[in-house]
Amino acid sequence: QKEVEQNSGPLSVPEGAIASLNCTYSDRGSQSFFWYRQYSGKSPELIMSIYSNGDKEDGRFTAQLNKASQYVSLLIRDSQPSDSATYLCAVDPGGGSQGNLIFGKGTKLSVKP
Amino acid sequence: DAGITQSPRHKVTETGTPVTLRCHQTENHRYMYWYRQDPGHGLRLIHYSYGVKDTDKGEVSDGYSVSRSKTEDFLLTLESATSSQTSVYFCAISEFTLGSPLHFGNGTRLTVT
Repeated sequence: QKEVEQNSGPLSVPEGAIASLNCTYSDRGSQSFFWYRQYSGKSPELIMSIYSNGDKEDGRFTAQLNKASQYVSLLIRDSQPSDSATYLCAVDPGGGSQGNLIFGKGTKLSVKP
Repeated sequence: DAGITQSPRHKVTETGTPVTLRCHQTENHRYMYWYRQDPGHGLRLIHYSYGVKDTDKGEVSDGYSVSRSKTEDFLLTLESATSSQTSVYFCAISEFTLGSPLHFGNGTRLTVT
């Protein structure tokens, strides 16, 4: 059973702080990794994709991938109350997956003003 | 935003009745997916399609069927709805296979009484 694990939270950080969200996955052959943001009552929205080991930065967001340790993380710098949402980690296990992503259950982030 | 429309947005139905949810896309993407999202379970794949009339089962396909007669439309049918099928249903599309993210529709909230 291919699994993606996330701490369910809630993770609470003060406004302006760095929020760190973590995700581990079980399938060592996984090649593509995604972070989605989901506001309450809304659909998941893609915010980051990462495919290679290391860091990828996009504005206030940085995704980090370590395939040897099988974890991927998302850092949100200068956190804002509008960042309060559930963050979903998704993994494409490859190997004929037909694009079927495996999702973690999500980490709920709360940014306090 | 990806052009994905789900209908209806909300539906209440009785146990034992058939229900069809529709997903329409304007992106001409080959791959389409149906997920359900439940508290404590996250997003789980029901069925997916990799082309017109080409479909396959996902993790939680029991009690569901799908059809895709046109590239732009992907239908999910609950032949005889049960209370366990009360959920939020998301349609997603993808342009490629390996390495492509999913883009989600706005979801359908289904309640089976």
